[in-house]
Amino acid sequence: AQTVTQSQPEMSVQEAETVTLSCTYDTSESDYYLFWYKQPPSRQMILVIRQEAYKQQNATENRFSVNFQKAAKSFSLKISDSQLGDAAMYFCAYRSYAASMEYGNKLVFGAGTILRVKS
Amino acid sequence: DTEVTQTPKHLVMGMTNKKSLKCEQHMGHRAMYWYKQKAKKPPELMFVYSYEKLSINESVPSRFSPECPNSSLLNLHLHALQPEDSALYLCASSQGRGLRQPQHFGDGTRLSIL
Repeated sequence: AQTVTQSQPEMSVQEAETVTLSCTYDTSESDYYLFWYKQPPSRQMILVIRQEAYKQQNATENRFSVNFQKAAKSFSLKISDSQLGDAAMYFCAYRSYAASMEYGNKLVFGAGTILRVKS
Repeated sequence: DTEVTQTPKHLVMGMTNKKSLKCEQHMGHRAMYWYKQKAKKPPELMFVYSYEKLSINESVPSRFSPECPNSSLLNLHLHALQPEDSALYLCASSQGRGLRQPQHFGDGTRLSIL
């Protein structure tokens, strides 16, 4: 079974600074998908960024980028120019290619990292 | 605004009550999901419907009963719940077998069992 580990329960960043959230995962599969979701106090889980394992290029979405190291099974999220609205709980998630074909798109979540942004 | 709509947003019920949570999406997605989330914890998958058929049941107690009347609607029927069932219940949808497509989540229903 796949597992996802987020080793930082809480992180703090000063407004306009850069912060990196770490995520590692364990899998024996070669094809899979990785996601970062953000959950602010408003509760909705919002997709921040996604990465397909077969793509070597790191995904980027505006101020959000990832450092995907497939051999190391690492998928960190970098937030540049942090804003107060970035304060939230961030979840790293894994989705198996093989399991998705048979059972639907099941996500395996990490424990989450609470990000606080200081003004 | 979320494209997955959940009602009600808050629900307080006694252990002997019967209630239902509702989830609706109009994005043409063919997979829908129920998650349970405790405070400061990740969501736990409960059920997956794919093309209106139950494809995953994560050993959820029978006091939770899912229903997918059509491709846009997903219900979760609740009966004889326990205090430990108090949680945020999230609904999500995705394009079915479109592997590249992510799940879209609703705002959730905050459930409190008295």
